[in-house]
Amino acid sequence: DGGITQSPKYLFRKEGQNVTLSCEQNLNHDAMYWYRQDPGQGLRLIYYSQIVNDFQKGDIAEGYSVSREKKESFPLTVTSAQKNPTAFYLCASRQGAGTGELFFGEGSRLTVL
Amino acid sequence: AQSVTQLGSHVSVSEGALVLLRCNYSSSVPPYLFWYVQYPNQGLQLLLKYTTGATLVKGINGFEAEFKKSETSFHLTKPSAHMSDAAEYFCAVSDQGTGGFKTIFGAGTRLFVKA
Repeated sequence: DGGITQSPKYLFRKEGQNVTLSCEQNLNHDAMYWYRQDPGQGLRLIYYSQIVNDFQKGDIAEGYSVSREKKESFPLTVTSAQKNPTAFYLCASRQGAGTGELFFGEGSRLTVL
Repeated sequence: AQSVTQLGSHVSVSEGALVLLRCNYSSSVPPYLFWYVQYPNQGLQLLLKYTTGATLVKGINGFEAEFKKSETSFHLTKPSAHMSDAAEYFCAVSDQGTGGFKTIFGAGTRLFVKA
């Protein structure tokens, strides 16, 4: 079945450590997105990519980095510069332009100890 | 830039009652509007979307929404709530960014259904 796979589902990290969240899709979608979800704040866009080797900052990119070396993969690194990294992270993809719906992964919950 | 406002962070209804979740968006032509649902510790899934054409849009699980341009609203309704409808609901709008289309979400409304 086609879909988006995020891993790990749960991750614990000590302060000062970088962590990388994986996002893989087999939907052959061009665009991929990373969102952060906190209670009462909805989803906030971190980074997005329309094509391979190109990506754009979203509304809250500080302290995060991404790469898009392959169409199916869009990993997110949460760096030690991110002040409050504990959150639920969602990866999504879309085929086509703005009328297209987003397809989401199951999410990764990061907790900083 | 587009924005989305969902009125009410929590809504509680009795089973069998009408569900009404409110959403207003900032104006841009044309707006592409969406409603998504999220169950605990899961990703979001699409309920319905408006792009062009008929302003009353029907979605999955008996939900529907009406696009009202004059009111910049896209409220979500369901005639009769079921226990399985308890979840968080997000209204969203698609926006043209510098690097392509991005989707902006409202803060969400958590729906509680009482037996």
